[in-house]
Amino acid sequence: AQKVTQAQTEISVVEKEDVTLDCVYETRDTTYYLFWYKQPPSGELVFLIRRNSFDEQNEISGRYSWNFQKSTSSFNFTITASQVVDSAVYFCALSEAFKSAGKSTFGDGTTLTVKP
Amino acid sequence: KAGVTQTPRYLIKTRGQQVTLSCSPISGHRSVSWYQQTPGQGLQFLFEYFSETQRNKGNFPGRFSGRQFSNSRSEMNVSTLELGDSALYLCASSTYTGLALNEQFFGPGTRLTVL
Repeated sequence: AQKVTQAQTEISVVEKEDVTLDCVYETRDTTYYLFWYKQPPSGELVFLIRRNSFDEQNEISGRYSWNFQKSTSSFNFTITASQVVDSAVYFCALSEAFKSAGKSTFGDGTTLTVKP
Repeated sequence: KAGVTQTPRYLIKTRGQQVTLSCSPISGHRSVSWYQQTPGQGLQFLFEYFSETQRNKGNFPGRFSGRQFSNSRSEMNVSTLELGDSALYLCASSTYTGLALNEQFFGPGTRLTVL
């Protein structure tokens, strides 16, 4: 069975602070995919990143960066110099390959509030 | 490219009634997944359809069912509604690369309230 844990329910920071959102996952598969999605106050989930289990290279996209460590089953997300527009609920998700690929498991989400 | 659309956006029903929700995926996307989002349970996977076949199913009672049409549009049905079914129902469409699911594109959701 697959499981995704986002231990941080809520995080509040002041604008320009860096913030890291934690994601720990469990799966018995060796081939799997990890995702991060953002759900702003308007409601629609927006895709941020997809990473496969064989690619542990960290990724940076503007102010966003992701740290994938198989040894600790973690896929953490860091926002550098946070902005008010980053306020949203962030979800980490796991999808295994093959037959159960379409069954994505989401974490409970981390609500990030960035104050001006 | 038009995004994922869901209708209706809001729905109020009473216990015991049934409801049908509709989802139109992004053109070319053959995978449609449904999720239930509630404050207490987060995003829970209901089922996934691909080319008119249910490929995966979550841990929901048989009152929750769905189907997909040849144009990839999907419907979800909930029969004998219970108060606990009140939630935001999200539809997501996607594609596959080989046997791996690509990123999902979510619709705005249908907010169902059961009285």
